[in-house]
Amino acid sequence: QQPVQSPQAVILREGEDAVINCSSSKALYSVHWYRQKHGEAPVFLMILLKGGEQKGHEKISASFNEKKQQSSLYLTASQLSYSGTYFCGTEALTGGYQKVTFGTGTKLQVIP
Amino acid sequence: GAVVSQHPSRVICKSGTSVKIECRSLDFQATTMFWYRQFPKQSLMLMATSNEGSKATYEQGVEKDKFLINHASLTLSTLTVTSAHPEDSSFYICSAPKAGSTDTQYFGPGTRLTVL
Repeated sequence: QQPVQSPQAVILREGEDAVINCSSSKALYSVHWYRQKHGEAPVFLMILLKGGEQKGHEKISASFNEKKQQSSLYLTASQLSYSGTYFCGTEALTGGYQKVTFGTGTKLQVIP
Repeated sequence: GAVVSQHPSRVICKSGTSVKIECRSLDFQATTMFWYRQFPKQSLMLMATSNEGSKATYEQGVEKDKFLINHASLTLSTLTVTSAHPEDSSFYICSAPKAGSTDTQYFGPGTRLTVL
């Protein structure tokens, strides 16, 4: 079953912050985060492994709560270049090594 | 970083014809590759797992006789859409993890298939 993301869509002004959530019904080994621009393939942002870690670089970070099977992506001081559709990708503990199931997606639009 | 290429990037074909899409890992070996399909405004849906030297594993609801997958070498997987119909029009994307690595999926740039 596909992980559910919230919100489905969000509009931000430059400089504002956003949080995107990803929730799975399965026990997870890892959570990936991707950003996709229109007409392009997804671009890998980061991976979080089982162990309840938090990762980040610059103004984009993420957390992974394996007990709740949830992950959140944090975008701070958003820039116009952050616009796109964000997908979480989950790797379940069972069901296939390195097999990633993509979430429902969150469309983010940053306006001046 | 690791690079995955796809060819062609865009293809238009007539209904009933077959189309082959190639996915290559350019600077690493991939014993496993994944094929995804994405319809407009939807998420990526995993179609199948391509395994070098063995049969592909298909997700529920994906017709293995229609979407033929061949993982001919450690750097090449092909997806052939047989007897394509307009409903097969979609964005097809492959991905490959580095062999022996638990980190990061490397995605190809995608192939836009339009069936007339």
